[in-house]
Amino acid sequence: AQTVTQSQPEMSVQEAETVTLSCTYDTSENNYYLFWYKQPPSRQMILVIRQEAYKQQNATENRFSVNFQKAAKSFSLKISDSQLGDTAMYFCAFIEYSGAGSYQLTFGKGTKLSVIP
Amino acid sequence: DGGITQSPKYLFRKEGQNVTLSCEQNLNHDAMYWYRQDPGQGLRLIYYSQIVNDFQKGDIAEGYSVSREKKESFPLTVTSAQKNPTAFYLCASSIGRGNTIYFGEGSWLTVV
Repeated sequence: AQTVTQSQPEMSVQEAETVTLSCTYDTSENNYYLFWYKQPPSRQMILVIRQEAYKQQNATENRFSVNFQKAAKSFSLKISDSQLGDTAMYFCAFIEYSGAGSYQLTFGKGTKLSVIP
Repeated sequence: DGGITQSPKYLFRKEGQNVTLSCEQNLNHDAMYWYRQDPGQGLRLIYYSQIVNDFQKGDIAEGYSVSREKKESFPLTVTSAQKNPTAFYLCASSIGRGNTIYFGEGSWLTVV
């Protein structure tokens, strides 16, 4: 069974500083996709960034970037120039595909990030 | 605007009652999902559907039922067989394989 591990239950960062959230996963498949989702206090799940496993280049979206290490099964999220609005729960997730053609999204337990003014 | 609409936002249920949570999407997505979120937990998959009139159980399907009669709609019924139904429920959808999953705003269910 696929698993996603986020080893940091809580983190904090000063406004304008950089923070990295870690994520490791376990899969026997070669074809999968990785995601980071943000869940602010409103509880809305918002996509932050997406990475295809077959791509070696790390994905970047404005202040958000990932460090994807496929061999190590690691997928960390770096937030640069942290802003107060970045305060939220962050979930790492991935989709893998079974031989039967089915797929499902598996989530880690989340990291609570607090940005301090 | 395109999106996923869940209703109601807040629902209170007496023990022994069935309740149905609505999920409607106008994104023309083929796949739809229901997740449950408890404090300190990530999201756990209840049911998912890849096409109309077909759905599969997720990791925690016991005590829940779904239907997919229309592409746009994927209602979730929480039955009295669900022993601990108080939770936050998220509906989601995606175009299909490998595509990003988008979420509704969620529904809070409380058993009183």
